[in-house]
Amino acid sequence: GDSVTQMEGPVTLSEEAFLTINCTYTATGYPSLFWYVQYPGEGLQLLLKATKADDKGSNKGFEATYRKETTSFHLEKGSVQVSDSAVYFCALGTSYGKLTFGQGTILTVHP
Amino acid sequence: NAGVMQNPRHLVRRRGQEARLRCSPVKGHSHVYWYRQLPEEGLKFMVYLQKENIIDESGMPKERFSAEFPKEGPSILRIQQVVRGDSAAYFCASSPGVGQDTEAFFGQGTRLTVV
Repeated sequence: GDSVTQMEGPVTLSEEAFLTINCTYTATGYPSLFWYVQYPGEGLQLLLKATKADDKGSNKGFEATYRKETTSFHLEKGSVQVSDSAVYFCALGTSYGKLTFGQGTILTVHP
Repeated sequence: NAGVMQNPRHLVRRRGQEARLRCSPVKGHSHVYWYRQLPEEGLKFMVYLQKENIIDESGMPKERFSAEFPKEGPSILRIQQVVRGDSAAYFCASSPGVGQDTEAFFGQGTRLTVV
């Protein structure tokens, strides 16, 4: 079945550091890939998505590229801010909108 | 524009009671999904509903859990005879259509605590 694996967390960085959160997936067919972010006490918000191989999703300085050959969708940001502290979820989407999530990565950014 | 509305935000139930969780999707959305987030874990799919129909309930426990999305009114996730292991955050999401690249809009969740 479909599955998503994220790097173990939590991740702690200083402000302006470079961020990478690894995500790999297993799926039949050609899923769409998503990154969602969850701030404390809130629901999930879509951060970015990519629908086919070699697509790059980007938003708010975050980027991720759909790599079919390595079945990966790593999240990157060149310079993190304290306000980026949250839980980040990688997910893949099926044909009728069902999402399969990774376990989430807690990011804490210190001033 | 109102997003997905879930209520209550927090719910405390004693073991053996019933829990009813409500979800009003984004106006115009006819596809609703329920997910459960156990402590320190990611979200797990429970059920996918369209108006008056359950499309996929492969993630629902076989007993005590049920879901509906009536023609009028919110979607309801019902848990009968709750146990401590049901303590979790339950999230509802809605979408305007189906397709693997369709964005799902999430509510803020209902945090159920069973004491």
